Amino acid sequence: QVQLVQSGAEVKKPGASVKVSCKASGYTFTSYEINWVRQATGQGLEWMGWMNPNSGNTGYAQKFQGRVTMTRNPSISTAYMELSSLRSDDTAVYYCARVSGTASFWFDPWGQGTLVTVSS
Amino acid sequence: SYVLTQPPSVSVAPGQTARITCGGNNIGSKSVHWYQQKPGQAPVLVVYDDSDRPSGIPERFSGSNSGNTATLTISRVEAGDEADYYCQVWDSSSDDPYVFGTGTKVTVL
Repeated sequence: QVQLVQSGAEVKKPGASVKVSCKASGYTFTSYEINWVRQATGQGLEWMGWMNPNSGNTGYAQKFQGRVTMTRNPSISTAYMELSSLRSDDTAVYYCARVSGTASFWFDPWGQGTLVTVSS
Repeated sequence: SYVLTQPPSVSVAPGQTARITCGGNNIGSKSVHWYQQKPGQAPVLVVYDDSDRPSGIPERFSGSNSGNTATLTISRVEAGDEADYYCQVWDSSSDDPYVFGTGTKVTVL
């Protein structure tokens, strides 16, 4: 079955960077975009950006431009999201999700989430 | 940027019908997708393209979209339906094309 498995929880200090991985299985990795969405505790879902695993092209939400980098390694069907200059308000669960659709687009499935805690 | 507004909470008795709204400017011209998120879990797609259901999602979940409001309807509500629900659209005209609603907590009484 289609599945996205993310790397484990991280604890980082303010100013540091974090890199989260998302390994895909059950489908052709290069055929579907991967997006990243985060969720602070008790808050809603916040879209961060997209990546085309075939071309490597990316697009980032305005809020994260300059701080986020999305990459991939097609040989191991894995996508990565790196967030730099971490602040306490970056503490959140980070999800990867596969995009489906043609005229409109939705997320299915989602990874299990990776908790990133930013604390001094 | 495009804004989607949901009621913070909806309460419903078991066996009854829950309706969760998602308001946006002329949202009827867009396709709306809905996610269910239970505590400590990742979101799960329950409706896409306004009213289609992914395989494995019960027929009790249905959607509609017209004018300025999209609606997710859960019929014959069960205790296991208690969760947060989010609507989402893809807005091709926006620099940030993926937009989520504010989320609605459904409580089964």
